[in-house]
Amino acid sequence: GAVVSQHPSWVICKSGTSVKIECRSLDFQATTMFWYRQFPKQSLMLMATSNEGSKATYEQGVEKDKFLINHASLTLSTLTVTSAHPEDSSFYICSAAGTSERSDTQYFGPGTRLTVL
Amino acid sequence: QKEVEQDPGPLSVPEGAIVSLNCTYSNSAFQYFMWYRQYSRKGPELLMYTYSSGNKEDGRFTAQVDKSSKYISLFIRDSQPSDSATYLCAMRSSSSNTGKLIFGQGTTLQVKP
Repeated sequence: GAVVSQHPSWVICKSGTSVKIECRSLDFQATTMFWYRQFPKQSLMLMATSNEGSKATYEQGVEKDKFLINHASLTLSTLTVTSAHPEDSSFYICSAAGTSERSDTQYFGPGTRLTVL
Repeated sequence: QKEVEQDPGPLSVPEGAIVSLNCTYSNSAFQYFMWYRQYSRKGPELLMYTYSSGNKEDGRFTAQVDKSSKYISLFIRDSQPSDSATYLCAMRSSSSNTGKLIFGQGTTLQVKP
């Protein structure tokens, strides 16, 4: 149980373009979703927290205009990297915190590898 | 000083060995403790979730929490090559599952056949 999916699993784009990453909770409703970034051989860095129907809360140092987050429903959150540059290349992982039987902790998606050329 | 300290390893053991993975933390407000397993190029997978001090066992995995020492452990019995992964400890103070998780750096484990 507690399945979280991400799409796409990997994406390559040109510098200056925008990329959208979807995060879905497949078998539970997620009141809160989180977006993380992970560099090679490093731990997860929380970028932002989003609640369904509300504006996302960004961590210090994360550009909210560059990383647009939308949490339109209890099963879907999207992260859009706007005007991507090579330094945005990273592994982006979402997680979801649910209600009722999925209420203990966050469950993570499989991640999306973004490469900006 | 980081809130959560975890030796990054790598830790290499022979198949069948008992593995001990550990984290220390400084914030006495942490009450909820998790261990996640992350395979290369994959998202973290929840292995164990514990509240406050004590032990929890699930198959070959045992999680221990010692709040007095601010120390948590994950033991893996009869380790298998498929256990080769990075193990992340995580913890939070909030009783809500929407509370921010604080992660350790992760320990890379290699189990050799």
